[in-house]
Amino acid sequence: EAQVTQNPRYLITVTGKKLTVTCSQNMNHEYMSWYRQDPGLGLRQIYYSMNVEVTDKGDVPEGYKVSRKEKRNFPLILESPSPNQTSLYFCASGPGNTEAFFGQGTRLTVV
Amino acid sequence: GIQVEQSPPDLILQEGANSTLRCNFSDSVNNLQWFHQNPWGQLINLFYIPSGTKQNGRLSATTVATERYSLLYISSSQTTDSGVYFCAVDEGDDKIIFGKGTRLHILP
Repeated sequence: EAQVTQNPRYLITVTGKKLTVTCSQNMNHEYMSWYRQDPGLGLRQIYYSMNVEVTDKGDVPEGYKVSRKEKRNFPLILESPSPNQTSLYFCASGPGNTEAFFGQGTRLTVV
Repeated sequence: GIQVEQSPPDLILQEGANSTLRCNFSDSVNNLQWFHQNPWGQLINLFYIPSGTKQNGRLSATTVATERYSLLYISSSQTTDSGVYFCAVDEGDDKIIFGKGTRLHILP
């Protein structure tokens, strides 16, 4: 089954404790991206990647890192999480930056 | 950067009604997509429509790129159509910008 898989689905952590949210797709898509969704602000792109070893900043990259060592994986890294990074995070992939398939979301709470 | 505005922000309709959702964008775009986020939070791609008209069952979409807007039509609404509808555009740099969405509530 074609899918984008994010883990974990829910995470509560403390300020400053490094964390990684994994994202994996099995559709051989070149394009992958991360979004955060906040009430009243909609979805905002954090980082995107057009291919392996190619990553670019989206609209809100501060406080986040990504890597694209393999085509199928695109982890989101928060080196030192802060409460303002409490949000709902989505990973997406697509054959180009067109028809995006989304993961089920990761709800992150930073206390 | 490009601005994406969706209207109306909220819409409440009776089951069976038709609806039109609008997406305006402030500059020319390379592509435009419509998504549905269901009440459980799942995001589903509906249309990739940088220009022209497409139909999929009760849903159809039209983008008039020269006038910088896109419309999503939902006919014979069902309660399962409830949720938030987003449009998203790429202005040519591969960065994707979402509108803030239209929240649709279909009453049984």
